[in-house]
Amino acid sequence: GAVVSQHPSWVICKSGTSVKIECRSLDFQATTMFWYRQFPKQSLMLMATSNEGSKATYEQGVEKDKFLINHASLTLSTLTVTSAHPEDSSFYICSAQPGGTGQPQHFGDGTRLSIL
Amino acid sequence: QQQVKQSPQSLIVQKGGISIINCAYENTAFDYFPWYQQFPGKGPALLIAIRPDVSEKKEGRFTISFNKSAKQFSLHIMDSQPGDSATYFCAANQAGTALIFGKGTTLSVSS
Repeated sequence: GAVVSQHPSWVICKSGTSVKIECRSLDFQATTMFWYRQFPKQSLMLMATSNEGSKATYEQGVEKDKFLINHASLTLSTLTVTSAHPEDSSFYICSAQPGGTGQPQHFGDGTRLSIL
Repeated sequence: QQQVKQSPQSLIVQKGGISIINCAYENTAFDYFPWYQQFPGKGPALLIAIRPDVSEKKEGRFTISFNKSAKQFSLHIMDSQPGDSATYFCAANQAGTALIFGKGTTLSVSS
């Protein structure tokens, strides 16, 4: 149980394109989802926290107009990288937490974004 | 300010040996301390986790030792195998908040 599916797993696109990444909890309802960014050989850095039905909370330094997060249902959150540029190339990973505090977070397999 | 400090950055262990990775935290409000294993191109997978009301938790070859007074916790991998070669992250959080990750330890188990 506790499977988180992330799609697509890899995307390559031209500079200026907007890219949408989906994060789905397949067998549980996720009140809260988190989006992380990971550069090669580095740790996961939290970008934003999204709660179902409300606006996402962004970490300091993360542009909310650049990284649009929507958490419209208890099983789906999306991250849209708008007008992507080469510096946005990275590994984006979501995690989902079942309802109730104290529940472990489960991670998707990540999306490798490459902007040419 | 880094809230979770992890060491060592890399570790080489012989097959059958014990791998030990250490983490220290600063925020005394943290009440959940998981360890994640990550293979290249994959998301982190939960290995084992502990809460501050116990000092040790063991699951198979993996053991977490927790020292609340020192604000430290460690992962021990017994009988390390080549398949254990991966990057390991410690993390911590307070209930309902995002996990704060250490910088990771790259483990290589030689056969």
